[in-house]
Amino acid sequence: DIQMTQSPSSLSASVGDRVTITCRASQSIDGYLNWYQQKPGKAPKLLIYATSTLQSGVPSRFSGSGSGTGFTLTITSLQPEDLATYYCHQSYKIPWTFGQGTKVEIK
Amino acid sequence: QVQLVQSGAEVKQPGASVKVSCKASGYTFIDYYIHWVRQAPGQGLEWMGRLNPNRYVTDYAQKFQGRVTMTRDTSINTAYMELSSLRSDDTAIYYCARGHRSLGDWFDPWGQGSLVTVSS
Repeated sequence: DIQMTQSPSSLSASVGDRVTITCRASQSIDGYLNWYQQKPGKAPKLLIYATSTLQSGVPSRFSGSGSGTGFTLTITSLQPEDLATYYCHQSYKIPWTFGQGTKVEIK
Repeated sequence: QVQLVQSGAEVKQPGASVKVSCKASGYTFIDYYIHWVRQAPGQGLEWMGRLNPNRYVTDYAQKFQGRVTMTRDTSINTAYMELSSLRSDDTAIYYCARGHRSLGDWFDPWGQGSLVTVSS
């Protein structure tokens, strides 16, 4: 199985800060990398698919980049409503696998 | 709007089976895969498998092979996930999600989740 490793596991940042979350795959997954946001007590929500395509309705402060084995999710100006856990997800090879999550807290 | 509505919480004894339903609305049910993902308490997301409702073909994660069965009833636009021989570590929230196949597979939207508790 392809292992997905996110860093950091958690972070605390202030409103307006730029936040970057990294996701590394144990082998190349081309661009088959997606990002989800899970707010407390809620189901996950798709933010970005295929590395960098923003899902409809997702604020433009979210962006994704990367290739091969290394990918990033960036929030350019953190907002209070971004309090959540973020997961990366590879769809290069079954079984699809997720990173362990990055919990984002607001200072 | 596109929506997936799941069945309610269940409490099961070890060794029993559970069947979770996922009713789709707002789109053509047979045109999209249904995926099942679970989340143990305080833990991350784990993909269990997927169902092609049109061709009635399934792919299961090897971890669940032999214990999981994914089915559907196209007359009521509903998918099901049945997990047998339940253990305490199967206690989790089980999510269904609509699968898109464009530039890879991605899940949107997700159902609200169904809590399954395995306890004697």
